[in-house]
Amino acid sequence: NAGVTQTPKFQVLKTGQSMTLQCAQDMNHEYMSWYRQDPGMGLRLIHYSVGAGITDQGEVPNGYNVSRSTTEDFPLRLLSAAPSQTSVYFCASRGPGQGAYEQYFGPGTRLTVT
Amino acid sequence: AQSVTQPDIHITVSEGASLELRCNYSYGATPYLFWYVQSPGQGLQLLLKYFSGDTLVQGIKGFEAEFKRSQSSFNLRKPSVHWSDAAEYFCAVGGTSGYNKLIFGAGTRLAVHP
Repeated sequence: NAGVTQTPKFQVLKTGQSMTLQCAQDMNHEYMSWYRQDPGMGLRLIHYSVGAGITDQGEVPNGYNVSRSTTEDFPLRLLSAAPSQTSVYFCASRGPGQGAYEQYFGPGTRLTVT
Repeated sequence: AQSVTQPDIHITVSEGASLELRCNYSYGATPYLFWYVQSPGQGLQLLLKYFSGDTLVQGIKGFEAEFKRSQSSFNLRKPSVHWSDAAEYFCAVGGTSGYNKLIFGAGTRLAVHP
């Protein structure tokens, strides 16, 4: 199993550009999430999904869009990039139920918006 | 409000010394508790978790943590630190029903002197 994969690893955008961060998992996990990590703030939840076709907002959803058309993929779209979105983005997944509360994290995407 | 506090931003220890990283949480019900480790440039890896039962939990890499309900704490310990333990450590708390939205602390960066 590859686990959780993310592409790209690094990206530089200009203000106003749009892009999609890709996330895929091969563990047949129902739950997937996107977090952003900023210095001194830990990880904050952007959006999450509890299954294909079902998404919901997390703590910091503004400026981001998600969809979940398959179990495996959970892309994160930046609609119009802003410097405040400079961050490291992590995708995570987990299976359902109490025993599966461990979240598996991808390696991250480091995004810089100039 | 739900929150996680890691009082120490940076900690430096000598190799072979003991380690304790502090974590305090605020949560309305019995939480699920986690410690994750992040090596430079990497994603997060689960060290250990507490759901119920024995309040002293063992994790990977020789780490353990103790849940103290009366103090709302979940401190991480290791009796003898190795240079490879240098990393950032995150405490997280999650709910016991529904989707487990993890709330992360800001992290503690550990440096290990030879």
